[in-house]
Amino acid sequence: KAGVTQTPRYLIKTRGQQVTLSCSPISGHRSVSWYQQTPGQGLQFLFEYFSETQRNKGNFPGRFSGRQFSNSRSEMNVSTLELGDSALYLCASSLAGTGITDTQYFGPGTRLTVL
Amino acid sequence: ILNVEQSPQSLHVQEGDSTNFTCSFPSSNFYALHWYRWETAKSPEALFVMTLNGDEKKKGRISATLNTKEGYSYLYIKGSQPEDSATYLCAFDASGTYKYIFGTGTRLKVLA
Repeated sequence: KAGVTQTPRYLIKTRGQQVTLSCSPISGHRSVSWYQQTPGQGLQFLFEYFSETQRNKGNFPGRFSGRQFSNSRSEMNVSTLELGDSALYLCASSLAGTGITDTQYFGPGTRLTVL
Repeated sequence: ILNVEQSPQSLHVQEGDSTNFTCSFPSSNFYALHWYRWETAKSPEALFVMTLNGDEKKKGRISATLNTKEGYSYLYIKGSQPEDSATYLCAFDASGTYKYIFGTGTRLKVLA
């Protein structure tokens, strides 16, 4: 069974630009969550999508947005990039059937550098 | 603001040593506590999900305990091997959603 994939793996942008990251979950998984990791910080929850709907949201500004398609693939978008957005962005998928103690499976991440 | 702390931040042990580290979390509004292992250049991998006070989970040489009343979980590694070298993360779930609060991790290096 293929794992969670993320594209691109590395990205360099300049301040003010926008960026779109993609996540393909494990086949059959309907929940996709996004996390940001910056140096010295733990993973911070951005948002979670389930069946094309945002089900939960973390404490990030509105520049961070996402969506989920009918095939459960998800994208996150960051507009008007700032230097502080440089981070590793991880997505994770799970079945999200009954019980939120489903195991989350993480992708390899996208390393975003903002210059 | 809910805070999850892990200690120590990093440690080096010799091959064959046993070791343990701590995850401290708020003792109120507990739903679940997750442990992950994150090896360099790989994806975080789920180790355990713990939901009940007094829970003890085991996977090979790795085990974990949970005390929800006092707000801590211990992860133990028995007879550490170089392949155990990784960052071990805990994630606190207060609401039964995926809005986890992660600790900053314990970075373990096992020396051969």
